Amino acid sequence: GAVVSQHPSWVICKSGTSVKIECRSLDFQATTMFWYRQFPKQSLMLMATSNEGSKATYEQGVEKDKFLINHASLTLSTLTVTSAHPEDSSFYICSAGGRDTDTQYFGPGTRLTVL
Amino acid sequence: TQLLEQSPQFLSIQEGENLTVYCNSSSVFSSLQWYRQEPGEGPVLLVTVVTGGEVKKLKRLTFQFGDARKDSSLHITAAQPGDTGLYLCAGVYNFGNEKLTFGTGTRLTIIP
Repeated sequence: GAVVSQHPSWVICKSGTSVKIECRSLDFQATTMFWYRQFPKQSLMLMATSNEGSKATYEQGVEKDKFLINHASLTLSTLTVTSAHPEDSSFYICSAGGRDTDTQYFGPGTRLTVL
Repeated sequence: TQLLEQSPQFLSIQEGENLTVYCNSSSVFSSLQWYRQEPGEGPVLLVTVVTGGEVKKLKRLTFQFGDARKDSSLHITAAQPGDTGLYLCAGVYNFGNEKLTFGTGTRLTIIP
């Protein structure tokens, strides 16, 4: 149980376009989902926390207008990278936490490459 | 801002050797987790420690939580090539707040 999926697993896009990444909790309801970014050979950095039905809380230094987060249901959160640029190229990972557990379950990640 | 330092940053040892990875913070954790991450994948939870002084074992892996809940260690006995990966500690600083702060990571390579 507690499986989290991400789609797509990788994406290549042109500079200036927008990319949407989906994070789904497959067998549990996730009241809270987290979005992380990981640059090569570095650790995970929390970007934002999203709660179902409310606005996301962004970490300091993360542009909310550039990284749009929607958590419209208890099983789906989306991250849209708007007007992507090469410096946005990174590995994006989501995690989901359920009502009955303090544990976060991580998705497999999405590799974004902006040309 | 809490900082979570891991040491060493890189470690390359021969198969069969033992090793210890450390995770240190200037602040007290309410809980701490250890993860292993393979390239191109999300981190996989290994263990959660909550109580100061707690020791947990997972086969050849031994996890210890410091008495003051500011530090933790991961000890691997008789390392195997399958242990190769990025090891991350992650702490929760506030009870009731699920937000995780990840450590700087330790990249472990076990040489056959």
